[in-house]
Amino acid sequence: DQQVKQNSPSLSVQEGRISILNCDYTNSMFDYFLWYKKYPAEGPTFLISISSIKDKNEDGRFTVFLNKSAKHLSLHIVPSQPGDSAVYFCAAHTGTASKLTFGTGTRLQVTL
Amino acid sequence: DVKVTQSSRYLVKRTGEKVFLECVQDMDHENMFWYRQDPGLGLRLIYFSYDVKMKEKGDIPEGYSVSREKKERFSLILESASTNQTSMYLCASSLTIFTQYFGPGTRLTVL
Repeated sequence: DQQVKQNSPSLSVQEGRISILNCDYTNSMFDYFLWYKKYPAEGPTFLISISSIKDKNEDGRFTVFLNKSAKHLSLHIVPSQPGDSAVYFCAAHTGTASKLTFGTGTRLQVTL
Repeated sequence: DVKVTQSSRYLVKRTGEKVFLECVQDMDHENMFWYRQDPGLGLRLIYFSYDVKMKEKGDIPEGYSVSREKKERFSLILESASTNQTSMYLCASSLTIFTQYFGPGTRLTVL
């Protein structure tokens, strides 16, 4: 049972435009959401996070939006750059355990 | 900077072999994790540990075991490797319950 879903396996965006990556979840007990970025042959690296009590968090070119009623979050990258080409995973946390539940990933390609 | 290292980048083993994947972190983190990454399935948690000698099953623990004898080291063991365990294995550590730091991964092929 996939509690965190990324329905778009891939996305292609032109350099300079906005990239929007989406993530849906089913567990209303998730209290914290994170985005990770993964380049080939490297481990994922933390990008940005948001608490469930907020609806927006911004860090430079990256903004994460959370819509709790729709159980949906999105990552906006503006402007997109070729170095942003990677696989992006959303992840969610719940409870007192330290573990995260990851989505299936979206491969972003930023073209020139 | 946090550093998480994994013993091998690539590993080829035969069906039935016992396989050890080692992970070491240098930041005194309490929590350590083992994931596998497969196309279309994302990252799935195999086991995690929040303290020395402590371990918790993740979402897909079958066929795996773990060992954490020292705080900085977390080992994943495949008791009898099978072809369906061919995958990319990622180790991570964290201090808080949220942000995790990942190693570069071990691509394991079981023939």
